[in-house]
Amino acid sequence: DQQVKQNSPSLSVQEGRISILNCDYTNSMFDYFLWYKKYPAEGPTFLISISSIKDKNEDGRFTVFLNKSAKHLSLHIVPSQPGDSAVYFCAASAEQGNQFYFGTGTSLTVIP
Amino acid sequence: DAMVIQNPRYQVTQFGKPVTLSCSQTLNHNVMYWYQQKSSQAPKLLFHYYDKDFNNEADTPDNFQSRRPNTSFCFLDIRSPGLGDAAMYLCATSRDSRPQEYEQYFGPGTRLTVT
Repeated sequence: DQQVKQNSPSLSVQEGRISILNCDYTNSMFDYFLWYKKYPAEGPTFLISISSIKDKNEDGRFTVFLNKSAKHLSLHIVPSQPGDSAVYFCAASAEQGNQFYFGTGTSLTVIP
Repeated sequence: DAMVIQNPRYQVTQFGKPVTLSCSQTLNHNVMYWYQQKSSQAPKLLFHYYDKDFNNEADTPDNFQSRRPNTSFCFLDIRSPGLGDAAMYLCATSRDSRPQEYEQYFGPGTRLTVT
């Protein structure tokens, strides 16, 4: 049973525009969320996180928004750059848990 | 520079022939994880070690075993690989096991093919 869902397998965006990647979760116990970025032939690397006590966290061009009532989070990349082309994984964990649950990933292509 | 190293990067094995995947780390982290990621699916945690303590996920098949002879190395053993075990296997480490406090660092993965 997939507790974290990324329903868009792929996304293409023009350079300079906004990229919005979406993630939904089903487990109301999840209270910590993060995004990983993965380039081909490399392992996923941590990008940005958010705790459930916040609804927004910003780090440079990357902003994560959390809507707890909708069990939805999104990653905004503004402006998008060709180097942002990668697979983005959403992940979630619960306070008492010992693991992250990952989504299936969204492949972002930023077109120059 | 590499912090989490996985060897080999690509592994081909025959149906039923035991195979071992290797992971090493230079971070001196306490925790090492093994994930399985099948095509178009999410990475799924198989088990993890906290130091020498082994923690198996409830739904990890018995066919999968792991060894951690020292802090730096961790092995994934598949005793009798089936076609359904073909996947990318990701190793990760973290300083401690509380995921909300300690970032996980991933290796590049080993892609296993079963023929």
